[in-house]
Amino acid sequence: DTGVSQDPRHKITKRGQNVTFRCDPISEHNRLYWYRQTLGQGPEFLTYFQNEAQLEKSRLLSDRFSAERPKGSFSTLEIQRTEQGDSAMYLCASSLATQGNYGYTFGSGTRLTVV
Amino acid sequence: AQSVTQPDIHITVSEGASLELRCNYSYGATPYLFWYVQSPGQGLQLLLKYFSGDTLVQGIKGFEAEFKRSQSSFNLRKPSVHWSDAAEYFCAVGTSGAGSYQLTFGKGTKLSVIP
Repeated sequence: DTGVSQDPRHKITKRGQNVTFRCDPISEHNRLYWYRQTLGQGPEFLTYFQNEAQLEKSRLLSDRFSAERPKGSFSTLEIQRTEQGDSAMYLCASSLATQGNYGYTFGSGTRLTVV
Repeated sequence: AQSVTQPDIHITVSEGASLELRCNYSYGATPYLFWYVQSPGQGLQLLLKYFSGDTLVQGIKGFEAEFKRSQSSFNLRKPSVHWSDAAEYFCAVGTSGAGSYQLTFGKGTKLSVIP
């Protein structure tokens, strides 16, 4: 069990560019979450997958954001036409449904800076 | 909608002193409550959680928290702080809307420890 892995750890991009982040959950975990954390704030829920199905999306997830989990394993979060307001830490977490509702394990996050 | 308030943005304590971090929540039903710790540039680690039963919950690293329904509070305590406890602490409430089991976090309390 290597925990939840996120790649890259840091990303600097110019405004208007597209970026993609990857999350590899704990292998047997069937639930996967994305959260966003801006400076001075707690993490905010973005979206949730159970296996490959995206079951819930926050209103924070604008049309420029898309997340996938194609085979119920790793997940990607893409941001198109990045804006300075997208600068944040993007956190991925996973859990196993049978552990109880909130047995989250968080990754170390991807810090995005839009310049 | 649910919310979490952590009234103290920054707390400084001396090593060996006791610690109490405050958390108040707003949620219509019986809450699931959590405390997480985050070291700089890292993801979140679960310290403890409350689902039901005994209102005094023991966690890792010598932390405990007490659920007080009448005060809508879930304060985190530690009898003797170590320098390694310096970090940011987040209180969260869990909701099961649409089965997503998402967490709503407070804005966090940064803990500094002086020798």
